[in-house]
Amino acid sequence: GAVVSQHPSRVICKSGTSVKIECRSLDFQATTMFWYRQFPKQSLMLMATSNEGSKATYEQGVEKDKFLINHASLTLSTLTVTSAHPEDSSFYICSARLDRDTEAFFGQGTRLTVV
Amino acid sequence: KQEVTQIPAALSVPEGENLVLNCSFTDSAIYNLQWFRQDPGKGLTSLLLIQSSQREQTSGRLNASLDKSSGRSTLYIAASQPGDSATYLCAVEPFGNEKLTFGTGTRLTIIP
Repeated sequence: GAVVSQHPSRVICKSGTSVKIECRSLDFQATTMFWYRQFPKQSLMLMATSNEGSKATYEQGVEKDKFLINHASLTLSTLTVTSAHPEDSSFYICSARLDRDTEAFFGQGTRLTVV
Repeated sequence: KQEVTQIPAALSVPEGENLVLNCSFTDSAIYNLQWFRQDPGKGLTSLLLIQSSQREQTSGRLNASLDKSSGRSTLYIAASQPGDSATYLCAVEPFGNEKLTFGTGTRLTIIP
């Protein structure tokens, strides 16, 4: 099946620094990718929709200046957590799909810890 | 606003038993529904996708059904194995966009 690769799987950073997370669709082109956040023992919360060649669409309550999304190509979307703080510590997951009649595939997730 | 609920939140069954996981949603106007599993600390693995026009889908020991009118889906797992232990999530997609709304998940433990 289709594969979505997310990197890094785990990152620890100091408060105030920025962290970039990459999401790649390895064997298909994705005009749209999605970024989710998951708190411990909770379900996934959609943060934003990443659109190739245009600005991302953010969900209500998500700070676009803190969570910068760039969808530079049909196979790569990046999420940059800027000026990270401990409250940004979470599990971030991306997803992509060929089209809406096919299943959504998810990356392995990135565990971000801000100290 | 769509709300998706999964009951029970946790389930433990002996190995070899058949089991059913439940997913209910409040808005029946869905484009499709998808079942996933999530292992601890990992991403999601797609299990089954059911289009709104379909009633069920099968893959190996898994069978998912969809009843849009009642806002329900079930995931049936036959002859459960310890490797089936994971959290199972259902997600619904509306007609208007591709945003998935996830359920609260069921944490399944298969006891050897």
